[in-house]
Amino acid sequence: AQRVTQPEKLLSVFKGAPVELKCNYSYSGSPELFWYVQYSRQRLQLLLRHISRESIKGFTADLNKGETSFHLKKPFAQEEDSAMYYCALSGGYGGSQGNLIFGKGTKLSVKP
Amino acid sequence: DTEVTQTPKHLVMGMTNKKSLKCEQHMGHRAMYWYKQKAKKPPELMFVYSYEKLSINESVPSRFSPECPNSSLLNLHLHALQPEDSALYLCASSQPQRGTEAFFGQGTRLTVV
Repeated sequence: AQRVTQPEKLLSVFKGAPVELKCNYSYSGSPELFWYVQYSRQRLQLLLRHISRESIKGFTADLNKGETSFHLKKPFAQEEDSAMYYCALSGGYGGSQGNLIFGKGTKLSVKP
Repeated sequence: DTEVTQTPKHLVMGMTNKKSLKCEQHMGHRAMYWYKQKAKKPPELMFVYSYEKLSINESVPSRFSPECPNSSLLNLHLHALQPEDSALYLCASSQPQRGTEAFFGQGTRLTVV
């Protein structure tokens, strides 16, 4: 079964502290994984995807196929990083392969 | 234009009403999606249209009826809804390949009374 697990509902850190949001997946095949972010009162938007291997707003995520993980990391958290973060897996079935399976989300709170 | 526009932003309807949600994008995307998001839950896929044809229906009750009139528009027709259908309905679009970015609308906040 295709599944995304985010074990932490809430993660609270102080400004300047390192952040790691955990994501594990279950997928038979080669996974396509994403991190989406939802800031307060804003629409859901892409933060980064594993195939591009880029760093966005200081965040990085590495796909570890052995551990079936795609954890999101940032060395120094900023207050503006406070948001809901969703790990998502591209479903890859049916006529369109762009549909997403979301984890339950982790709410990141960065305190001053 | 990299936006997905949804109307209305808010909708209150009775259980006997018929209403429609609308979604529009002008990014040339050939896949469009409806997701349902309950409070404090992740979005859940409802329907997928690929090249204007319904390709995925995630066992959604028939009181929800999607329609894709053309490659830029996506509608969700609502009829005889239940209070438990109250939720945020999100529209998204992307190219119909794995690994492509999905662009989401702001959503329609639906309340069924």
